Amino acid sequence: GESVGLHLPTLSVQEGDNSIINCAYSNSASDYFIWYKQESGKGPQFIIDIRSNMDKRQGQRVTVLLNKTVKHLSLQIAATQPGDSAVYFCAENHYGNKLVFGAGTILRVKS
Amino acid sequence: DGGITQSPKYLFRKEGQNVTLSCEQNLNHDAMYWYRQDPGQGLRLIYYSQIVNDFQKGDIAEGYSVSREKKESFPLTVTSAQKNPTAFYLCASSPGQPGQVEGTNEKLFFGSGTQLSVL
Repeated sequence: GESVGLHLPTLSVQEGDNSIINCAYSNSASDYFIWYKQESGKGPQFIIDIRSNMDKRQGQRVTVLLNKTVKHLSLQIAATQPGDSAVYFCAENHYGNKLVFGAGTILRVKS
Repeated sequence: DGGITQSPKYLFRKEGQNVTLSCEQNLNHDAMYWYRQDPGQGLRLIYYSQIVNDFQKGDIAEGYSVSREKKESFPLTVTSAQKNPTAFYLCASSPGQPGQVEGTNEKLFFGSGTQLSVL
């Protein structure tokens, strides 16, 4: 899951397996959530987003799950590939405010 | 092709020097943002602008300045007052403005970043 500080949590998965990256958000009034992927030395790239009136949203090979009861967000990546190796950030937005980013989770894909 | 362009990719600052990071977008987005990224930490907001000739401080604005004279451009100056400037700086834009009615696209589009280091 997300954390602060110099040591990001790391998830190591075998190529072809599914990955689940977790994020605990802080503001129960947040109504929009977004996942980004960031490769080394590059800017974050949009993956998928979800509004608080939904519990689940699917994209291509990715699914985001939102559990508002426990303020938890997860990103599931199906059939993980070496190109999925990156840092993944979640962000939350309370209506009218700015996006607040988590520290990120490192995903390492083993071939 | 459309997107956000940051330059330079790498920048070095000498003691007491001001340096300016460039950010240009051709997405016709109203809002633009500057974030700072330090190793192992989330993105922290420095400044943002919802419209031309207007901008607001973010969470860590001290030691930085911005301008928004054109919709397409949002340069960031790192002044000598910023005592710990070494970081990866990210510019972003979004179609909507914070505070608009629900349905506005808050999704941020990011540039490729500028790595600033102190000599």
